[in-house]
Parts: sequence; C-alpha cells; structure tokens
Amino acid sequence: GAGVSQSPSNKVTEKGKDVELRCDPISGHTALYWYRQSLGQGLEFLIYFQGNSAPDKSGLPSDRFSAERTGGSVSTLTIQRTQQEDSAVYLCASTLEETQYFGPGTRLLVL
Amino acid sequence: DAKTTQPPSMDCAEGRAANLPCNHSTISGNEYVYWYRQIHSQGPQYIIHGLKNNETNEMASLIITEDRKSSTLILPHATLRDTAVYYCIVRAPGGRAGNMLTFGGGTRLMVKP
Repeated sequence: GAGVSQSPSNKVTEKGKDVELRCDPISGHTALYWYRQSLGQGLEFLIYFQGNSAPDKSGLPSDRFSAERTGGSVSTLTIQRTQQEDSAVYLCASTLEETQYFGPGTRLLVL
Repeated sequence: DAKTTQPPSMDCAEGRAANLPCNHSTISGNEYVYWYRQIHSQGPQYIIHGLKNNETNEMASLIITEDRKSSTLILPHATLRDTAVYYCIVRAPGGRAGNMLTFGGGTRLMVKP
C-alpha cells in the first residue's frame, strides 16, 4: 500500500525566504510527527499531532517554525525567514499504534 | 526510554546471515525493543519490534534474551541493499509527545559481495 509521502523531495532556497514542506501520511494513521536530521546526526523531534488534540510543539527550535495538519491528514511544516542552520533533511512519520512509518524526507538547503 | 548499546560497525558477506546485537540492560518491563534502519539518503525504515517473545516478519527476525537485557536482529540472507545504519531502540508506549523516536549511534552494516 501507499506509504508516507513528502514533497518536495529537495528544496534550495535563499536565506530569508519562507518555505513550506508537505507530508501526506498513511491513510488511517491518527498521529503524525515532524523530525529533522542534520548530516550524520540523529533525529531531532519537532512537532507531534494526535487526532484532534492540540499539537505538541515542544521541539520547534524557534518561532520561525510552525506546522498545521488539516482535516487530520495532510500536514504542512512552514519555516519563515530561513537561515543557513535550517539546512537539513525534514522527515515526517505517521503512526499506527506504536510503530512509526517514515516518509523519504525533504532535503532543504538554505544558501 | 532505556539506553541501548550497539557496535558502531559490522561487515557481512552477501547471502550470509547478518546478526546485529543490542544491549539494553536497563530495560523496563513495559518497554518494547524496536529496530529501524536508515539507508543512505533515505528516511528511517521500520523493521521489527518485540516485547519478550521472539518475532519474525518478512524482513528479519528479532531474538530477545530471556532476561530482556539484550537482543539480536537477524537478517537471514543479507543483500547489498541491506547496507544501512541499524538502530535499536527501547521504548514504552506513550511517553513524551506520544512516542517520539530518538536514535543513538546505531550499527553501520556493510554487506560485501
């Protein structure tokens, strides 16, 4: 069946621009996570959505980062006024019970 | 979540079984053992998980010792496509932000022809 999809797969932007990253979770999965991974590093948790509950935003590194999940399905991660340190792979995962299934990620490069 | 210890790297011949060990001596009674892998430039991929019984699926087998302080992931016939970093994680259901994942260093498995 269809897995988690993310778009775009790669994004190059200039410092100061805004970017939007999209995640389409597996149908029927109620929970959705955003992580980021810098080169050679582990996962850094960003935000978590569970059903209709208020999202857990405790991992967002600054107020330039925001995310929403519309209709309990598709999610968009927005980074405003991008900085070079935002360059990373942004990963989305959706959860069936306790197991997380990841998308391929969006590679963001801020020049 | 309990800490895990894995060897930083391992080699395996193509077609042979790859046995990846993981120590989790401080595991609690309600914590599961999960294995994920990450192939270069791809998102993490779920492999298998278990609580105390051995588990097998189409990708791998998971052997958990009786005291649950260690486990072994077995790829029965490794292929070149199995070259990846393998992460062993122990976690209880729920917890902070639901069940957010944190990866340690993992084991870099190199399958050689």
